[in-house]
Amino acid sequence: KNQVEQSPQSLIILEGKNCTLQCNYTVSPFSNLRWYKQDTGRGPVSLTIMTFSENTKSNGRYTATLDADTKQSSLHITASQLSDSASYICVVSAGDSNYQLIWGAGTKLIIKP
Amino acid sequence: NAGVTQTPKFRILKIGQSMTLQCTQDMNHNYMYWYRQDPGMGLKLIYYSVGAGITDKGEVPNGYNVSRSTTEDFPLRLELAAPSQTSVYFCASSSIQGVGNSPLHFGNGTRLTVT
Repeated sequence: KNQVEQSPQSLIILEGKNCTLQCNYTVSPFSNLRWYKQDTGRGPVSLTIMTFSENTKSNGRYTATLDADTKQSSLHITASQLSDSASYICVVSAGDSNYQLIWGAGTKLIIKP
Repeated sequence: NAGVTQTPKFRILKIGQSMTLQCTQDMNHNYMYWYRQDPGMGLKLIYYSVGAGITDKGEVPNGYNVSRSTTEDFPLRLELAAPSQTSVYFCASSSIQGVGNSPLHFGNGTRLTVT
């Protein structure tokens, strides 16, 4: 069964600190892996999309890594800001179409001043 | 640009009532999707559309119906609401179907409670 598991479920860090969120997946066939940010009460917003051949991709202070051999991805946030408080969702595409996406449950990140 | 707009933001229904969740996008995207998000779970695809006049079932279509008469609009209809349909509903769109830079653009959701 195709699954995406994220850890930790929730995380609290102080403003200015770095953090890393984890994503493990068992999805076949694998097409691409995405990270989304979801603010409370809002829809998810795309951060990165990584294909099989990409192992690192950055978007400002967000850096995603992908190890297709171990089926793991991480999202590293540098110098966290209060506005980074949100849920971060890992999504794996099981095919070439956007209707074949497998969504993780997300990691809830809280940044404290 | 407004992007993807969903109405209403909140709604409370009694068991057995019906309603339509509205979704419109102004990005001229061909592909549109309806998801539901339940606490502690990943998003689940209800229905999707690859263009005006074409719709197909997703993972959890039971109890829902959709139509796509225009590129812009993709309403979701709930018939005979049940407590299991209590959820947050998200509409999304994308410009191309394939891999690569094809992110989904989401509305801000409709929070539905069925009692």
